[in-house]
Amino acid sequence: QSALTQPASVSGSPGQSITISCTGTSSDVGGFNYVSWYQQHPGKAPKLMIYDVSNRPSGVSNRFSGSKSGNTASLTISGLQAEDEADYYCSSYTSSSTLLFGGGTKLTVL
Amino acid sequence: EVQLLESGGGLVQPGGSLRLSCAASAFTFSNYAMTWVRQAPGKGLEWLSAISGSGGATYYADSVKGRFTISRDNSKNTLFLQMHSLRAEDTAVYYCAKSGVWFGESGFDPWGQGTLVTVSS
Repeated sequence: QSALTQPASVSGSPGQSITISCTGTSSDVGGFNYVSWYQQHPGKAPKLMIYDVSNRPSGVSNRFSGSKSGNTASLTISGLQAEDEADYYCSSYTSSSTLLFGGGTKLTVL
Repeated sequence: EVQLLESGGGLVQPGGSLRLSCAASAFTFSNYAMTWVRQAPGKGLEWLSAISGSGGATYYADSVKGRFTISRDNSKNTLFLQMHSLRAEDTAVYYCAKSGVWFGESGFDPWGQGTLVTVSS
């Protein structure tokens, strides 16, 4: 299976909001409410930011939110801060009982 | 604090084998599914395999099915990944991660620090 489709890069200024999309198919993103989002800083392990489409783990800022419409999930970060600069990955459970990641999006805070 | 610590990575020749371990602490290990994910140098994340809390159900990505085997020892709170027929393209940092009760839900949290596997002659 092909990776979920994410934009390679997005950017925004401090205080602004950005949205990262994650497009799949009806066999993954569109078929299940099991989309997660991960943040990864250089040289570090990924960190869970959103699970099951729109749920935030404890300790994750409420500036991070998730949603889904059809075969596309989205991660929105509001009030951008310098420390948000990182790579972001989406993932989804699939109808083949596997899991797919997106290709990753590099967020640059200008 | 929940912690995961991978070990077993290193340099291996093409065609060789390696067994990775992931020691878990500070949670009831047998209650949760566990997952292996890898990241090739400069590349994105790739899900490899998952195992149920009991160990009775296993799941694999097509890219590793038949070559990699996931297992767990709940008495020792340890997850394993046995890798055979290794190829250069298996070179990556390998992460273990805690899943929900079932691997598809609740995301992966936390992740270990990763262990580097290099396949080269």
